Amino acid sequence: DAGVIQSPRHEVTEMGQEVTLRCKPISGHNSLFWYRQTMMRGLELLIYFNNNVPIDDSGMPEDRFSAKMPNASFSTLKIQPSEPRDSAVYFCASSFDTGTYEQYFGPGTRLTVT
Amino acid sequence: KQEVTQIPAALSVPEGENLVLNCSFTDSAIYNLQWFRQDPGKGLTSLLLIQSSQREQTSGRLNASLDKSSGRSTLYIAASQPGDSATYLCAVRPVYGGSQGNLIFGKGTKLSVKP
Repeated sequence: DAGVIQSPRHEVTEMGQEVTLRCKPISGHNSLFWYRQTMMRGLELLIYFNNNVPIDDSGMPEDRFSAKMPNASFSTLKIQPSEPRDSAVYFCASSFDTGTYEQYFGPGTRLTVT
Repeated sequence: KQEVTQIPAALSVPEGENLVLNCSFTDSAIYNLQWFRQDPGKGLTSLLLIQSSQREQTSGRLNASLDKSSGRSTLYIAASQPGDSATYLCAVRPVYGGSQGNLIFGKGTKLSVKP
């Protein structure tokens, strides 16, 4: 298996633009997680899905952020409009379920908003 | 609310030393605890997963222990090598609360192994 796949790996955009991050989880995993990593706050959960349904989105910073999982093999995280404070590394992870199984992380997308 | 703390924040050791990284968490109701390694500018690599019913896990030169009742875990690295230089992150998966299912991370320990 190729592992969790994220695209793009790097994104530089101007303030106010829409940004879409993409994730393909490991085949067979039914839980998908979006995390954000910053120097100040470390790694924080934004949202997670179980069987394509959003379970907990309490970590989504504000309405500018939205996430979808239209099927078991694809998820998107969208920021519209983007702001400089959104600059961070965004990780996607997947696992078999939300309980005892190990989470596997993608390589991340480094977002820079100027 | 579950909180995870890692001490020290940074550690520098000479090559060949055995070392211990510490992780503590405030709520013992966890499914498991996972140790990760992160190289600069890279993603997270899972090192060891300890289920709540287990006391330790071993992989090569790495040994992780879990004392759930006291809310502590340690990662022991034997015979450290320069290639072990990275940031080591500890994360727990809580059983209860709004964050059920996801991982709660510590801020990490940045390890530097000098040749």
